[in-house]
Amino acid sequence: ETGVTQTPRHLVMGMTNKKSLKCEQHLGHNAMYWYKQSAKKPLELMFVYNFKEQTENNSVPSRFSPECPNSSHLFLHLHTLQPEDSALYLCASSQDQTHRTDTQYFGPGTRLTVL
Amino acid sequence: EDKVVQSPLSLVVHEGDTVTLNCSYEVTNFRSLLWYKQEKKAPTFLFMLTSSGIEKKSGRLSSILDKKELFSILNITATQTGDSAVYLCAVVSGGSNYKLTFGKGTLLTVNP
Repeated sequence: ETGVTQTPRHLVMGMTNKKSLKCEQHLGHNAMYWYKQSAKKPLELMFVYNFKEQTENNSVPSRFSPECPNSSHLFLHLHTLQPEDSALYLCASSQDQTHRTDTQYFGPGTRLTVL
Repeated sequence: EDKVVQSPLSLVVHEGDTVTLNCSYEVTNFRSLLWYKQEKKAPTFLFMLTSSGIEKKSGRLSSILDKKELFSILNITATQTGDSAVYLCAVVSGGSNYKLTFGKGTLLTVNP
């Protein structure tokens, strides 16, 4: 248990659905991250929030919409996804993003399947 | 405590030179080592290494992992000014939940 939780753990959705992924960290960190991990591919950084402000958007399509209401919670809102968006979505947190070399702690991930 | 150490921290070369960047690590339950190139935006993935001794190659870039000696190198041949960037090494470790530990990066400057 790393102090980072994600819900749901598994999600199956149709291309016209709207759903949200939730991440919560109990580590007192100020930076939170969304990553995508497709089959047999490495982690792809999607978004970074530092002190609740989005600092990086790695050219992610607008059908993925992040929200960070406070330093402990991070959401990823999903709408009109494509089958190729099926992947493991990982949330991570670190002390803060100013020091990029801080260790990032990951949640267990949400396994998303888009039909 | 998991550690990833990169060297050198910075490097200035001329176009056409060959450079070798180093990354050593000490982690519990190693899973993979990642190399990224970072210019002004989010890091761009270069290589993922999981097995010792197998060279990964992409154009003028190549990388290899030594799991016995716990290090990896990133080679860039015939450098170009567009190779100027921070090169980050990160190690994925852990059991059921990942942990990703970055090195401090190597700032490479390629002068014309």
